[in-house]
Amino acid sequence: GQSLEQPSEVTAVEGAIVQINCTYQTSGFYGLSWYQQHDGGAPTFLSYNALDGLEETGRFSSFLSRSDSYGYLLLQELQMKDSASYFCAVRAHNQGGKLIFGQGTELSVKP
Amino acid sequence: GAGVSQSPSNKVTEKGKDVELRCDPISGHTALYWYRQSLGQGLEFLIYFQGNSAPDKSGLPSDRFSAERTGGSVSTLTIQRTQQEDSAVYLCASSPARDSSYEQYFGPGTRLTVT
Repeated sequence: GQSLEQPSEVTAVEGAIVQINCTYQTSGFYGLSWYQQHDGGAPTFLSYNALDGLEETGRFSSFLSRSDSYGYLLLQELQMKDSASYFCAVRAHNQGGKLIFGQGTELSVKP
Repeated sequence: GAGVSQSPSNKVTEKGKDVELRCDPISGHTALYWYRQSLGQGLEFLIYFQGNSAPDKSGLPSDRFSAERTGGSVSTLTIQRTQQEDSAVYLCASSPARDSSYEQYFGPGTRLTVT
């Protein structure tokens, strides 16, 4: 089976850098995705790592290390609007197109 | 262009009643997914469609749950004889194809409350 673990909550201040970790146990997967969900809103896609290494998209970066079964989302120059829940997800081999999501990390950005 | 839409946005029903939830995916997206999200929890996979067929129904919690997709477009999730534990937000998502499923486009969800 597959399972992904994330911290339940993270708090940081405006302008800071925060890293949200995702560790996983899966027999094989295509890549690691990250989604953002504001309270009461729909999840929106942030980034995807098919290969090991760092992917950068503006203030957000995502990292994957298959050998360590580990990934993270890095948010820089935090803004109040970044307060949201962040989910990592994998599409596992032999599982069709479905994504398996972690339980989510609630990020609170303080002034 | 138009995103994924879902209706109704909110549904309150009495225990034991049947409900139908509708999803209109992005035009041209062949893959469609249903998830369920309980308060403060992650997304729980329910069912996946590729075109009109459902190769993966493994997440449906019981035989009270069923879904169909017609014309490779609109999908309906039906819950029969609703129970209080069915209360959750039901999210629909679509992607251009199965192989691009790492990037799914989600609708706003239907908040179902069973009283």
